[in-house]
Amino acid sequence: DAGVIQSPRHEVTEMGQEVTLRCKPISGHNSLFWYRQTMMRGLELLIYFNNNVPIDDSGMPEDRFSAKMPNASFSTLKIQPSEPRDSAVYFCASSPFRGSDNEQFFGPGTRLTVL
Amino acid sequence: SQQGEEDPQALSIQEGENATMNCSYKTSINNLQWYRQNSGRGLVHLILIRSNEREKHSGRLRVTLDTSKKSSSLLITASRAADTASYFCATDAGGTSYGKLTFGQGTILTVHP
Repeated sequence: DAGVIQSPRHEVTEMGQEVTLRCKPISGHNSLFWYRQTMMRGLELLIYFNNNVPIDDSGMPEDRFSAKMPNASFSTLKIQPSEPRDSAVYFCASSPFRGSDNEQFFGPGTRLTVL
Repeated sequence: SQQGEEDPQALSIQEGENATMNCSYKTSINNLQWYRQNSGRGLVHLILIRSNEREKHSGRLRVTLDTSKKSSSLLITASRAADTASYFCATDAGGTSYGKLTFGQGTILTVHP
């Protein structure tokens, strides 16, 4: 298995532009998580899905952020419009959710820089 | 607020020494997990310990869990330079959380050759 795949790996954009981050979870996993990591705030959970349904989006910082999971093999995190304070590494993770043992498998991350 | 809080924030040791990291949490848990993150990479799952377990081993890793004190420790024995990384504990509250994990701020471990 290729593991969790994220694209792009690096994104540099200007303030006000729309940014779309993509994630392909591990086949057969039914939970998907989006995280943001910064030096100041550490690792923050933004939103997670179970069976393609958003369960908890309380970590999404503002309405500028949105996430979708149209099918079991693809998810997007969109920021529109982007701001410099959105600069961070964004991770996607998936989990098989077997009810008791739910280790998460992380992708390599997307390093976002908003100028 | 963070569910899991690691201690110390940073640890520097020599190769061959043991490294111990601690994690404290606030609410009841289903399980507690430890992850490693190498610089510029994603987190990698190391070990999971359930709430009804007290100790678990995996290779050079030893994890303990004390639910009465709401704390866990990760011991890496005979450390190697390749163990240099950040280590995070994460708690799963169980129930309807669908495997949601709450991560601590991490311990930065540096192992000098």
